[in-house]
Amino acid sequence: SQQGEEDPQALSIQEGENATMNCSYKTSINNLQWYRQNSGRGLVHLILIRSNEREKHSGRLRVTLDTSKKSSSLLITASRAADTASYFCATGDMGRRALTFGSGTRLQVQP
Amino acid sequence: NAGVTQTPKFRVLKTGQSMTLLCAQDMNHEYMYWYRQDPGMGLRLIHYSVGEGTTAKGEVPDGYNVSRLKKQNFLLGLESAAPSQTSVYFCASSYEGPHEQYFGPGTRLTVT
Repeated sequence: SQQGEEDPQALSIQEGENATMNCSYKTSINNLQWYRQNSGRGLVHLILIRSNEREKHSGRLRVTLDTSKKSSSLLITASRAADTASYFCATGDMGRRALTFGSGTRLQVQP
Repeated sequence: NAGVTQTPKFRVLKTGQSMTLLCAQDMNHEYMYWYRQDPGMGLRLIHYSVGEGTTAKGEVPDGYNVSRLKKQNFLLGLESAAPSQTSVYFCASSYEGPHEQYFGPGTRLTVT
């Protein structure tokens, strides 16, 4: 079963705009991670936020986590055509030795 | 470092045939995973391993078997392929269970 559900399923923006993706999950977690998948490729880890953190930055990425609402958001600022990809959230908890992935958001950045 | 590699990259099987997908990692990771990804969906966990000689079932294990005889290798076997197993298969590894995972490039399998 899918733990994380991303919203929206698809997003199309112009280069230079910001892109925001949301992820909701159902159970308690130790951390939440975001991955990027370019078409036909494997997933690449972007950022991990622990359950006791509320916000984290990495370059043009900003992730927030609200454990009371069981939700997270990924913001990509000043988007580029190269950011075109699918983005997945994944939740981890120590009781389960694997991550649970959502169904992803497809981001299209128009040049 | 090669990271996580998968062989083969593509394969076409007839229903009932068998095959083995090989995953190798050179990062000395304890945990290894096999996922399948179907169109428009996220990744579903097939089997995983928490160390050499161990395996465990994931979310969709039926029709698949795995082995982890060496720490760096994780094999996924299909004993009798079915069209429902047409998918893209990804292997991943990590230092700890619910932590950052490193993915291979995938194997695109078609069962006719």
